[in-house]
Order: sequence, then structure tokens, then C-alpha cells
Amino acid sequence: GENVEQHPSTLSVQEGDSAVIKCTYSDSASNYFPWYKQELGKGPQLIIDIRSNVGEKKDQRIAVTLNKTAKHFSLHITETQPEDSAVYFCAASFSGGYQKVTFGTGTKLQVIP
Amino acid sequence: DAEITQSPRHKITETGRQVTLACHQTWNHNNMFWYRQDLGHGLRLIHYSYGVQDTNKGEVSDGYSVSRSNTEDLPLTLESAASSQTSVYFCASSDRYEQYFGPGTRLTVT
Repeated sequence: GENVEQHPSTLSVQEGDSAVIKCTYSDSASNYFPWYKQELGKGPQLIIDIRSNVGEKKDQRIAVTLNKTAKHFSLHITETQPEDSAVYFCAASFSGGYQKVTFGTGTKLQVIP
Repeated sequence: DAEITQSPRHKITETGRQVTLACHQTWNHNNMFWYRQDLGHGLRLIHYSYGVQDTNKGEVSDGYSVSRSNTEDLPLTLESAASSQTSVYFCASSDRYEQYFGPGTRLTVT
């Protein structure tokens, strides 16, 4: 089955700096790659996703890149703010979230004011 | 507004007892999932369902069961609770892409 590895497990940045989280996946059939943000005491929430037919997607301060050849994808957060502090999960699946999704182990991001 | 709810939010039980965690969604989604979250392991899939009367095992299904009698509910049952099942449990439902997660149930098995 699919295996998703995520690094780093913890990340501290100064407010205003950028943060990058990297993931690799094993199953070349995977073609949907969502990123979820989990705030303390809450369930994960989708913040951005990318499908295999594109290499990059942006939404305001958040961007994701995908390299299907190398089987890795990354989350980039620019101009970080204290409210970005949370745990971030990458994931991979075949076809979409309605199918089984394999999650990475999570990255705890701390933005220091 | 549509939502997904879980109950109870916190539960303490003893080893060997049967426990059922409830999950209810009003999105009218056919697909529902149960995950457990443990430090260092992220979210691991326990069971999932693609519709009424359909259930499937995930990667960590041993000791758990689910049943799907209607679209809105997917209860998770621990047949005989073990200390290794102490965890935070999340239910989710899905449309074409996004999975919508509930607030979680923190289960402690003593």
C-alpha cells in the first residue's frame, strides 16, 4: 500500500519568515495530494490540495509543489503569522478524498512572534 | 449548516469492556472514515464505508468494527477495549475530494 513520509516533525520559525514542509510517497498511482491543518483540540481541516496534472498551486500565502517523477511534494507558507501555528499533515490518495487517503506523520509548526 | 459530530468527546473505560463511539454527519456524504491519531503515527485508517451496508478494513482494524445502516451514521465499536487502544479517534466524511473531520473523541482505556 501507499506510504507517506513527512519532514520535519517539528518546525519553529520567526513571524514573517517562510516555512517549508516536505513529503514523499511510494505509490506511483497516487494522483491526489491534500494538505490538512489541525489546530489544538480540533479535527484536521483541508487547506490546499494538488492533483497530479499540475506542478504547483497557490492560495494567498500558501503554495504546494509536486514532483511526480521524484514522488515528492511540499507545502510552502510565506509571511508566517502566529495563527499559522498548528500541526500540518500531508496525504496521498488515488482519485480523491472520497477514496482511502494515507496521511503523513505530521509537522508541528510554531511561529514565534 | 452541514456538520459532522462525534460523541462522546471524552471517554474513560476499563480493559475488556465494549465501547461504541458515535459519528453523525449531515453532509449526506456516502463515504465515511474512522481514524486514530497517536503521537509519531499521524492519522491511521481504522475502517471506512462507501455507503449503506458497505464497510471495509483499514490498516489498523484489529479489535474494531463498524456498521453502516444509514447514510448519516458510522459507529465505531471496540469489542474488548485494550490499553493499546488509548488514542484520539476522528471520524470523517467525504465528497469528491475533501474529507471533513469531526472534533474527535479522546478515549482512555485503563
